[in-house]
Amino acid sequence: AQSVTQLGSHVSVSEGALVLLRCNYSSSVPPYLFWYVQYPNQGLQLLLKYTSAATLVKGINGFEAEFKKSETSFHLTKPSAHMSDAAEYFCAVREGGYQKVTFGIGTKLQVIP
Amino acid sequence: NAGVMQNPRHLVRRRGQEARLRCSPMKGHSHVYWYRQLPEEGLKFMVYLQKENIIDESGMPKERFSAEFPKEGPSILRIQQVVRGDSAAYFCASSPEISGQETQYFGPGTRLLVL
Repeated sequence: AQSVTQLGSHVSVSEGALVLLRCNYSSSVPPYLFWYVQYPNQGLQLLLKYTSAATLVKGINGFEAEFKKSETSFHLTKPSAHMSDAAEYFCAVREGGYQKVTFGIGTKLQVIP
Repeated sequence: NAGVMQNPRHLVRRRGQEARLRCSPMKGHSHVYWYRQLPEEGLKFMVYLQKENIIDESGMPKERFSAEFPKEGPSILRIQQVVRGDSAAYFCASSPEISGQETQYFGPGTRLLVL
């Protein structure tokens, strides 16, 4: 069975500071991993995805994530936070060949001016 | 190229009424997924459909909920005799038919409020 754990339901960073959102997964087979962003009252937008190619994945808006199999982690980072990054971020996992996607509970990112 | 479309965006129902949520997948996508997001929670998988077939409904409540994806027209998530606990955001996602690394693309959601 697949599962996702997001550490920290709320994260606050100062504008210009490093953003680090943590995600650990559990999967019985090599997984596909995703990060989505959700702005208030909107749907989910794909930030980036890992599909067994390069372990360091670059996404939109300057975000990137690194797949670490030994740590079963897929943390999301951005070198310098911008006010527009304030949103809720969801990590998700899908086992290869299986369509069901399992989401973490989300991390709300607050950017302080 | 229009994205996933959902309507209505907001729906208010009284307890006992029926709610019908519609989802039109992206052009060329034949796989549809429904998720429910309760307040302060992540998205929970409900059902996965292909045209005229329910593939996986392991996340659907056993009663009052049903879903379809007809040959023509949008996918419909139907909730009969709604209760206050059904208040949530319901998201639809779609993906293309090709197998492999397909990504699910999400619609804007329907926010259901049961009074």
